[in-house]
Amino acid sequence: AQTVTQSQPEMSVQEAETVTLSCTYDTSESDYYLFWYKQPPSRQMILVIRQEAYKQQNATENRFSVNFQKAAKSFSLKISDSQLGDAAMYFCAYRADSMEYGNKLVFGAGTILRVKS
Amino acid sequence: NAGVTQTPKFQVLKTGQSMTLQCAQDMNHNSMYWYRQDPGMGLRLIYYSASEGTTDKGEVPNGYNVSRLNKREFSLRLESAAPSQTSVYFCASSEVTGGEETQYFGPGTRLLVL
Repeated sequence: AQTVTQSQPEMSVQEAETVTLSCTYDTSESDYYLFWYKQPPSRQMILVIRQEAYKQQNATENRFSVNFQKAAKSFSLKISDSQLGDAAMYFCAYRADSMEYGNKLVFGAGTILRVKS
Repeated sequence: NAGVTQTPKFQVLKTGQSMTLQCAQDMNHNSMYWYRQDPGMGLRLIYYSASEGTTDKGEVPNGYNVSRLNKREFSLRLESAAPSQTSVYFCASSEVTGGEETQYFGPGTRLLVL
């Protein structure tokens, strides 16, 4: 069974600084997708960034980038120039590239990110 | 486009009562999902529907039933609520386009079972 582990329950960063959130996963699949979702206090789940396992290039979305290490099964999120609006719970998620699992997402437990002004 | 909508936003039930959580999407997506979110845990899949007319169990289906009423709507029913079902429930929908697929989430329903 696939599992996703986020070992940092909580992280803090100073405004304008850079922070990295960690995520590891376990799977026997070779093709899959990885995601980072942001959940602000409103509880809305917002997709931040996605990575296809077959792509070696790390995904980037503006101030958000990932460090995808397939062999190590690691998928960390880097937030540059942190802003107060980045404060939220961040979830790492995995999806197998197989209809056998119905495109379901497997989530980690989440990391609370606090941004200090 | 409203995206994914859920009703109600908040509900209090007594143990043994029943209720149905409603979810609708206006993005013409084939797949829909129900997750629950508990403190210290990520979202866990309860049931999903890959297409209209089909439903399948997810990771934590016990105590729940679902209905894919049509392509737009996917409801979650608690027949006899238990305190262990106190949680935040999220509905999501998705579509695979050109090999890419993203799940879009509703705002959640907060359920308290006393």
